[in-house]
Amino acid sequence: AQSVTQPDIHITVSEGASLELRCNYSYGATPYLFWYVQSPGQGLQLLLKYFSGDTLVQGIKGFEAEFKRSQSSFNLRKPSVHWSDAAEYFCAVGAQTGGFKTIFGAGTRLFVKA
Amino acid sequence: DGGITQSPKYLFRKEGQNVTLSCEQNLNHDAMYWYRQDPGQGLRLIYYSQIVNDFQKGDIAEGYSVSREKKESFPLTVTSAQKNPTAFYLCASSMRQGRPQETQYFGPGTRLLVL
Repeated sequence: AQSVTQPDIHITVSEGASLELRCNYSYGATPYLFWYVQSPGQGLQLLLKYFSGDTLVQGIKGFEAEFKRSQSSFNLRKPSVHWSDAAEYFCAVGAQTGGFKTIFGAGTRLFVKA
Repeated sequence: DGGITQSPKYLFRKEGQNVTLSCEQNLNHDAMYWYRQDPGQGLRLIYYSQIVNDFQKGDIAEGYSVSREKKESFPLTVTSAQKNPTAFYLCASSMRQGRPQETQYFGPGTRLLVL
């Protein structure tokens, strides 16, 4: 069955430090992968997406993600975190399973300390 | 500005009561979705609609109902059959349904609480 796993429920990083959020997926075919961000009490906003081609994709707000097929991973990275990056981050896979479906991970909450 | 609006921001439900959450989009998108968000569980699909007058059940449709009479609107009714309705409800839309590469655009959400 298709699934998305975000192993870290929450992560705390210092402002200015680098960030990596992990995402592993289970999907038999070529995955369509997304990262969304949710600020408290708000809806989700797309950060970036991967369909094919270059496995390193750039997104908004200085984020990037790398698709590694051999590891079934799509980790999100940012070289220098800002306090405004504190939010919840969701990895998702677009799956064709008798109809289209987006499967979301449980999310990783990012805390940024001064 | 194009986008998705949801109302109300907070909604309180009494036992045995049906309540309706509003979702409107002016993005001219064909597809619309309702998700339920609970802490630590990510988003779960309740219903989705590909076109006007058509909608399909998602993973957790029991206790919910929807309609799609207009392209712009996709209201969700939480019925009294939904025994645990307290959650954050998110409406989303995408240009089309049926393509896994579609980006979904989300509204700001409605938080439903039971009195």
